[in-house]
Amino acid sequence: SQQGEEDPQALSIQEGENATMNCSYKTSINNLQWYRQNSGRGLVHLILIRSNEREKHSGRLRVTLDTSKKSSSLLITASRAADTASYFCAPVTNTPLVFGKGTRLSVIA
Amino acid sequence: DGGITQSPKYLFRKEGQNVTLSCEQNLNHDAMYWYRQDPGQGLRLIYYSQIVNDFQKGDIAEGYSVSREKKESFPLTVTSAQKNPTAFYLCASSIGGQYGYTFGSGTRLTVV
Repeated sequence: SQQGEEDPQALSIQEGENATMNCSYKTSINNLQWYRQNSGRGLVHLILIRSNEREKHSGRLRVTLDTSKKSSSLLITASRAADTASYFCAPVTNTPLVFGKGTRLSVIA
Repeated sequence: DGGITQSPKYLFRKEGQNVTLSCEQNLNHDAMYWYRQDPGQGLRLIYYSQIVNDFQKGDIAEGYSVSREKKESFPLTVTSAQKNPTAFYLCASSIGGQYGYTFGSGTRLTVV
């Protein structure tokens, strides 16, 4: 199983600002997924980007994928206090997903 | 509404006891997974099942056991052989490994 490595480990921003978090991985992938975890809760699937896609949008989320650099980024625009959570990337191969430590995002009102 | 249900939400275990965590889904998903999360850490895979009556060990299967007798259910037993079982346990399901996972809300297990 391959896990992604999220960076930074923690991020604190003001409400209304944009939040960017990055993910690096090591091997070829089929697609890459991003998840959110609120404190003490399960993970919630946010978005999936296929290996032949370079960018994908969903509401205030924008995901990019650069397979040549084996990296992805998640941008949350116009952040809200409710976006406070941990965010995980999951590179998808032919084995079950594994998850790194994530990025802890704090949005301050 | 379809979803995945874990119970109980909180569980306390005495040293030397086996405990079973329940995971039920009504999403008609073939694949189910168990993860363990320790504070400030990522999720580590314990066991997974891609089809009824079949399951595979994950990265940290020692001290745990599972069964998959029904498509909807994938219970996890934490045995007395698991030396450090205090953790947050998450169950997930998916249509197949390439698609997004749906997670339950977790069971927090504490050894007392």
